[in-house]
Amino acid sequence: AQSVSQHNHHVILSEAASLELGCNYSYGGTVNLFWYVQYPGQHLQLLLKYFSGDPLVKGIKGFEAEFIKSKFSFNLRKPSVQWSDTAEYFCAVNAEAAGNKLTFGGGTRVLVKP
Amino acid sequence: SAVISQKPSRDICQRGTSLTIQCQVDSQVTMMFWYRQQPGQSLTLIATANQGSEATYESGFVIDKFPISRPNLTFSTLTVSNMSPEDSSIYLCSVYDVGYTFGSGTRLTVV
Repeated sequence: AQSVSQHNHHVILSEAASLELGCNYSYGGTVNLFWYVQYPGQHLQLLLKYFSGDPLVKGIKGFEAEFIKSKFSFNLRKPSVQWSDTAEYFCAVNAEAAGNKLTFGGGTRVLVKP
Repeated sequence: SAVISQKPSRDICQRGTSLTIQCQVDSQVTMMFWYRQQPGQSLTLIATANQGSEATYESGFVIDKFPISRPNLTFSTLTVSNMSPEDSSIYLCSVYDVGYTFGSGTRLTVV
């Protein structure tokens, strides 16, 4: 069964610091990869997604992620965070062979101090 | 992408009762999913709602506890049956068309 691991459960950083959140998945077939964000009290929003092509994906709000197939990783980055980036971030993976089910990682809570 | 209307947005229910959550999509979609997000945790897939056939449940979830209906390609319901406080969670429906879209969720508190 496919699984998704997010290494950091909690991250605390100051404004203007750089952010990198790790995501690894276990499925060996063709996968599609996603990062979602959930701001406090709000519902999930898609930050970015990778289906194919350029492994460096740019999303909304200055986020980007890099797909490294050999490492089964899809890490999320932002060069300079803002207080408004305080949220929970979820990595998710789906595989057509698994019925297009989306499997989520455990999430990373990010707190940006002003 | 599809737009999802999910209701109710929140409810407080007595233990032993049941709650039915509705998910309406503004376009026809083949794949519809139901997720649960327990407090402070990630999203866990409950089942895939299939139009015209029984839902496909994930390990740990059973039809008697979470019956699902999918009468057409734009609508589905999830019922949380015989509720206990452990069922207090956010329940979300999701559809897959050009990507995954999520409803705004139903925050359920069981007292």
